[in-house]
Amino acid sequence: EAGVAQSPRYKIIEKRQSVAFWCNPISGHATLYWYQQILGQGPKLLIQFQNNGVVDDSQLPKDRFSAERLKGVDSTLKIQPAKLEDSAVYLCASSLEGSSGNTIYFGEGSWLTVV
Amino acid sequence: AQSVTQPDIHITVSEGASLELRCNYSYGATPYLFWYVQSPGQGLQLLLKYFSGDTLVQGIKGFEAEFKRSQSSFNLRKPSVHWSDAAEYFCAVGSNQGGKLIFGQGTELSVKP
Repeated sequence: EAGVAQSPRYKIIEKRQSVAFWCNPISGHATLYWYQQILGQGPKLLIQFQNNGVVDDSQLPKDRFSAERLKGVDSTLKIQPAKLEDSAVYLCASSLEGSSGNTIYFGEGSWLTVV
Repeated sequence: AQSVTQPDIHITVSEGASLELRCNYSYGATPYLFWYVQSPGQGLQLLLKYFSGDTLVQGIKGFEAEFKRSQSSFNLRKPSVHWSDAAEYFCAVGSNQGGKLIFGQGTELSVKP
């Protein structure tokens, strides 16, 4: 079974530029998550989708971050304009459904460096 | 509010020695608890999870964890560490709102020969 796919794996951009990350979840998984992991910290949820609807985006900096999950499958996370503090790993994850007991599977992450 | 604390930022153990990584949680009801491992440059891999029932949970790669409600703890153990176990370990609790995971800040494990 294929896992969660993410691209690009690595990206270096200058501050104020824009960047987009793509995620393809495990087939059949209704729930998709984007987490931000800053070096030395645990992952923090940015946004959670159930199919193509947003369940939780309370920690998403909406002035610069946006995400969509058209057709309830793939998802894109965009940052515009980027700041130095956005340097982090962006982890996409998916689960069958968004209930407390479901196992969440993570992709390998997209590593962003803002210079 | 739900939270997870991993008191040890970095631990070094000798190869072949036993390991225990600490995790404390704050949660109002019976928690769903997880341990994930992250090797350098990789994503998170699930080691084990606790939902209910037997408080001693077996996972992959020879790891186990014990849920202790009285201590609000879910410590990860391994009887004999291998050099390949060197990685970052994250404890997490499943939120009762939408199932998202709330992570601790992680414990970095180094293994010396």
